[in-house]
Amino acid sequence: QKEVEQDPGPLSVPEGAIVSLNCTYSNSAFQYFMWYRQYSRKGPELLMYTYSSGNKEDGRFTAQVDKSSKYISLFIRDSQPSDSATYLCAMSADSWGKLQFGAGTQVVVTP
Amino acid sequence: AAGVIQSPRHLIKEKRETATLKCYPIPRHDTVYWYQQGPGQDPQFLISFYEKMQSDKGSIPDRFSAQQFSDYHSELNMSSLELGDSALYFCASSLALSTIYFGEGSWLTVV
Repeated sequence: QKEVEQDPGPLSVPEGAIVSLNCTYSNSAFQYFMWYRQYSRKGPELLMYTYSSGNKEDGRFTAQVDKSSKYISLFIRDSQPSDSATYLCAMSADSWGKLQFGAGTQVVVTP
Repeated sequence: AAGVIQSPRHLIKEKRETATLKCYPIPRHDTVYWYQQGPGQDPQFLISFYEKMQSDKGSIPDRFSAQQFSDYHSELNMSSLELGDSALYFCASSLALSTIYFGEGSWLTVV
């Protein structure tokens, strides 16, 4: 069983809707949490990062970490067709760089 | 803003050949990470360097080696290539142990 579990989707939503993504993990030592967006055949693009628990908001994006439940979430408000991509959660116990990734969730925002 | 530069972007090699991938980090970044992403898979951490010294090691095969040079660029050398080595290889960089930024990747196809 993988340390980081993420539903691969695809997740299809209409334009303007809220996209809700989540990952669960088993390693209680994880304390660095990130969300990346990856377009087809491109490098992962850092969207949000959080250390330990709590919420973080940046524009249309909100990241939440619940360490007691070993659960992290990403919400995208007012979704746009350009948000269509694969979203990867990533986490680490000891640094921002040596990451364990989830499988990625494919998101499709339809006009 | 300058990003992580990887070369070559595409590479085709035959089994048992050798391949070298290059990575040029974001200016002033001193830490480099290498990841391997197989078809339909999430990125897997291979190895990292901080200030030209190996800082961590992941699931890197013994056939692979890497180093970071005095100008902070890094090279990943892969020998005795196997069909299963066909993947997208990402380099990422950071300043010390801060959040990492990925390059566009190098596609390696082994035939």
